[in-house]
Amino acid sequence: DGGITQSPKYLFRKEGQNVTLSCEQNLNHDAMYWYRQDPGQGLRLIYYSQIVNDFQKGDIAEGYSVSREKKESFPLTVTSAQKNPTAFYLCASSTKGARAKNIQYFGAGTRLSVL
Amino acid sequence: KQEVTQIPAALSVPEGENLVLNCSFTDSAIYNLQWFRQDPGKGLTSLLLIQSSQREQTSGRLNASLDKSSGRSTLYIAASQPGDSATYLCAGGKAAGNKLTFGGGTRVLVKP
Repeated sequence: DGGITQSPKYLFRKEGQNVTLSCEQNLNHDAMYWYRQDPGQGLRLIYYSQIVNDFQKGDIAEGYSVSREKKESFPLTVTSAQKNPTAFYLCASSTKGARAKNIQYFGAGTRLSVL
Repeated sequence: KQEVTQIPAALSVPEGENLVLNCSFTDSAIYNLQWFRQDPGKGLTSLLLIQSSQREQTSGRLNASLDKSSGRSTLYIAASQPGDSATYLCAGGKAAGNKLTFGGGTRVLVKP
């Protein structure tokens, strides 16, 4: 099945620990995105990547890092510098180009909590 | 900077009633407007995307309109069903990077 796979579904972080959230897509999409969702709120953009080996900061990039070594994969690391990491994290992907509709397709999310 | 607002935050209707969900945005230079559905604890499912050159899009019982001059989009769901209960989010898109700015969502409950 084509789609976006996020893992793990639930993740717990200890004080001072870095954790990495996985996002893999087999839709052959060029662009990938990471969002954070807090309870009862909309999504805020953390990082996005339009092509392999390139990525840009979104609105709330502090305390996060990403890499884009493969087209299919866009892992997000929540570093110890992120003081309030408890949230629901969503990964998305889309095609790009003049004729693309630019619909973003989302994974099922990872819920991160602090121990 | 684009700001997207959805009012009300929550809505409850009896089954069969038509649903009207509102979305307002501040920057009329919008590239597209996308409506999503989110079930509790799940990811987002795209419902409709309206390009900036379009006035509306329809899919089954769903119809979304876009009025750039007034900075508004409306999602209509005809003859609501209990299965329509979910949170509905709208998002304004920019051409550069296909970045989306999301509203806070409207949580809908359709009572049988």
